[in-house]
Amino acid sequence: DTEVTQTPKHLVMGMTNKKSLKCEQHMGHRAMYWYKQKAKKPPELMFVYSYEKLSINESVPSRFSPECPNSSLLNLHLHALQPEDSALYLCASSRSRETGELFFGEGSRLTVL
Amino acid sequence: SQQGEEDPQALSIQEGENATMNCSYKTSINNLQWYRQNSGRGLVHLILIRSNEREKHSGRLRVTLDTSKKSSSLLITASRAADTASYFCATVFAGGTSYGKLTFGQGTILTVHP
Repeated sequence: DTEVTQTPKHLVMGMTNKKSLKCEQHMGHRAMYWYKQKAKKPPELMFVYSYEKLSINESVPSRFSPECPNSSLLNLHLHALQPEDSALYLCASSRSRETGELFFGEGSRLTVL
Repeated sequence: SQQGEEDPQALSIQEGENATMNCSYKTSINNLQWYRQNSGRGLVHLILIRSNEREKHSGRLRVTLDTSKKSSSLLITASRAADTASYFCATVFAGGTSYGKLTFGQGTILTVHP
């Protein structure tokens, strides 16, 4: 069982909707990540938070807005998405940005109509 | 852009056989990791090898790292049907603004037939 919990597991939204993906971990990890994964492709890094501060933004379009309210929670706010944004969105955490092992959630599968 | 290239892209073997997957990368790294992903699920960390290590074992897994050739291999011995999954190598950059950034290779799809 993963110790990183993502909700919802599935999300269908229209291009004009506003929705959010949520991620929670209670391992005391201080780095949290959002990855995007298309079918049959590797995960692609979107954002990294370290000690609740955004430390890496991989030039992600502004229609994706991350938020880290506290050390246990990570949100990804979605607005005016495009059909090509449909993908599996994976959240992960690690003890720190400098340490190695990432713990992944099961992902939120997003479909944009 | 993705850092790692893996080969083969797909590997099909019988239960009990060994599976070897290779990964190459381009820049200096802090460490290299291998992850497994069952279809449509999250990734599971398998093993981490640091840049100053050459070989590491964990159960049926053996990982090697050759920093001079910028390559790594993952060997799964005595494979089982439950090992069927996609396997990704991931590299952690050594420095600069991307310090700690984990970048995944293209992955190898392993199918183990009972």
